[in-house]
Amino acid sequence: EAQVTQNPRYLITVTGKKLTVTCSQNMNHEYMSWYRQDPGLGLRQIYYSMNVEVTDKGDVPEGYKVSRKEKRNFPLILESPSPNQTSLYFCASSLSRVAGWENTDTQYFGPGTRLTVL
Amino acid sequence: GENVEQHPSTLSVQEGDSAVIKCTYSDSASNYFPWYKQELGKGPQLIIDIRSNVGEKKDQRIAVTLNKTAKHFSLHITETQPEDSAVYFCAASIGGSNYQLIWGAGTKLIIKP
Repeated sequence: EAQVTQNPRYLITVTGKKLTVTCSQNMNHEYMSWYRQDPGLGLRQIYYSMNVEVTDKGDVPEGYKVSRKEKRNFPLILESPSPNQTSLYFCASSLSRVAGWENTDTQYFGPGTRLTVL
Repeated sequence: GENVEQHPSTLSVQEGDSAVIKCTYSDSASNYFPWYKQELGKGPQLIIDIRSNVGEKKDQRIAVTLNKTAKHFSLHITETQPEDSAVYFCAASIGGSNYQLIWGAGTKLIIKP
């Protein structure tokens, strides 16, 4: 089944304790992205990657790191989490290249990771 | 900076009636406008999109209209059903990129039986 998976789905941690949220897609997509979702603010992009070893900042990158060593994986790293990073996080992927009839612009989202930083 | 405004934030309609959600964007270079539906506990899922060279697009009970001059686009759902209850997000591309999107704040659609 074509999908984007995220782990963990729920995480409660304390300020300053490094954590990683994993994201993996099995659709051979080149584009991957991380968003955070907060009430009343919609989705805000944290980082994105157009391909392996290519990453770029989104709208709200402060306090986050990413890496793209393999095409399928795009982990989100919080080196020193703070309470203002408490949020619902989504990973998404997209084909991002011409592929005949397929809509290459569709972003496929993972199920989300709810993070609470105390 | 560029932004997308979405209204209303909550919309309650009787089952069988129509629902309309409106978005306004600020980037005149935006050329791609998707709509995503987010059900409780899940990630957003694309339901329909429109490009700037088209004024209207329809897919069964769902339609999207685009007014480039006024910089606004709308989602229309006809004959609403209980499974239409969800949060709907509009988005607009940043310039010519179809992957960099600015998102609206979302509309919670409630279908009353």
